[in-house]
Amino acid sequence: DAGVTQSPTHLIKTRGQQVTLRCSPKSGHDTVSWYQQALGQGPQFIFQYYEEEERQRGNFPDRFSGHQFPNYSSELNVNALLLGDSALYLCASSLISGEGEQYFGPGTRLTVT
Amino acid sequence: QKEVEQNSGPLSVPEGAIASLNCTYSDRVSQSFFWYRQYSGKSPELIMSIYSNGDKEDGRFTAQLNKASQYVSLLIRDSQPSDSATYLCAPWDTGRRALTFGSGTRLQVQP
Repeated sequence: DAGVTQSPTHLIKTRGQQVTLRCSPKSGHDTVSWYQQALGQGPQFIFQYYEEEERQRGNFPDRFSGHQFPNYSSELNVNALLLGDSALYLCASSLISGEGEQYFGPGTRLTVT
Repeated sequence: QKEVEQNSGPLSVPEGAIASLNCTYSDRVSQSFFWYRQYSGKSPELIMSIYSNGDKEDGRFTAQLNKASQYVSLLIRDSQPSDSATYLCAPWDTGRRALTFGSGTRLQVQP
């Protein structure tokens, strides 16, 4: 039973560029949430996708957008990258009926130079 | 205003001792609570969930919840060096349908 997978593992981008991160949820799960984790901090909620729609959003600007596909996989897109976007981006997989039981993928480490 | 407070540590305990990790939360968040363990350079791993007042035990781990005091804790019995990690407290925010994380407590278990 495959767990949550994310790609790529690491990414280096330049300020102003755009990036796309990918996530496949755990088998049987229908909901994907994205979090940003800065060094030394806890993860911060970006948004959640269910039934191919953004259901909830945290305090992140519109530069952060996403998508969910019919097979439940998801993408996170960040436009006009800033140095402050450097972080570990985590995808969390769950059931929409689950009250918070989320399972994280290995993450994508994004460095913006 | 922070919603979840954890002592950043490091909390240092000798091997075999009980490690006690604490977390307080604001009244705006939900009634479901989760503890995640995060090793350096890795992603968070779910280790415990607790939904009602009292204690919940799972192996060497015990989660304790006191909603009146807005307090949740994690006890690790017979601590092992492999338990050395950052422990993240995460209440479930029903409104946002998201986990709200504290900054975590770094635990060091000394051999």
